[in-house]
Amino acid sequence: AQKITQTQPGMFVQEKEAVTLDCTYDTSDQSYGLFWYKQPSSGEMIFLIYQGSYDEQNATEGRYSLNFQKARKSANLVISASQLGDSAMYFCAMRYGNKLVFGAGTILRVKS
Amino acid sequence: EAGVVQSPRYKIIEKKQPVAFWCNPISGHNTLYWYLQNLGQGPELLIRYENEEAVDDSQLPKDRFSAERLKGVDSTLKIQPAELGDSAVYLCASSLNPYTEAFFGQGTRLTVV
Repeated sequence: AQKITQTQPGMFVQEKEAVTLDCTYDTSDQSYGLFWYKQPSSGEMIFLIYQGSYDEQNATEGRYSLNFQKARKSANLVISASQLGDSAMYFCAMRYGNKLVFGAGTILRVKS
Repeated sequence: EAGVVQSPRYKIIEKKQPVAFWCNPISGHNTLYWYLQNLGQGPELLIRYENEEAVDDSQLPKDRFSAERLKGVDSTLKIQPAELGDSAVYLCASSLNPYTEAFFGQGTRLTVV
């Protein structure tokens, strides 16, 4: 069965520091995609970054980068230079076939 | 470019009453999703449309939930009758196709009392 695991229920980070949010997945498919979404208290899910299973380079989008380790089946999100506005819930999701499955999420709190 | 629009944002109803949620996806997006999100959990897929066809509704409780996407554009999700356990956030999302990133609306927070 396809599964996404986020083992950190909550994380704290000091403003301007980097933080890594963990995500591991389990699939027997060769072709899949990994996504990270941010959900602030307003409720909207905001797409952050995508990594395809065949992509050789780690994806980056501004302050967000995805540390993709295929052999370990991990796709950790790295946020550099944290800002107060980064405080939110973060979800890792995996697309396998036509399905998009989400993990349970990690709450990130940025301290000033 | 307008994002995914959902209405209403909030809805409070009594149990056993019907309720409907509406979603207008991003223009040109063929794939439309309805997700259910319980408090403190990740979204769970209820149904996925490719144009007007429901291609994945295995998680939709069909005894009380129904959905439609007439003309392959906007969509409606209905619950009849609502139960206390249906209290949750209902998220609509759309994407160009099932392989690209999905963009979400702000959700409808349903409270059944």
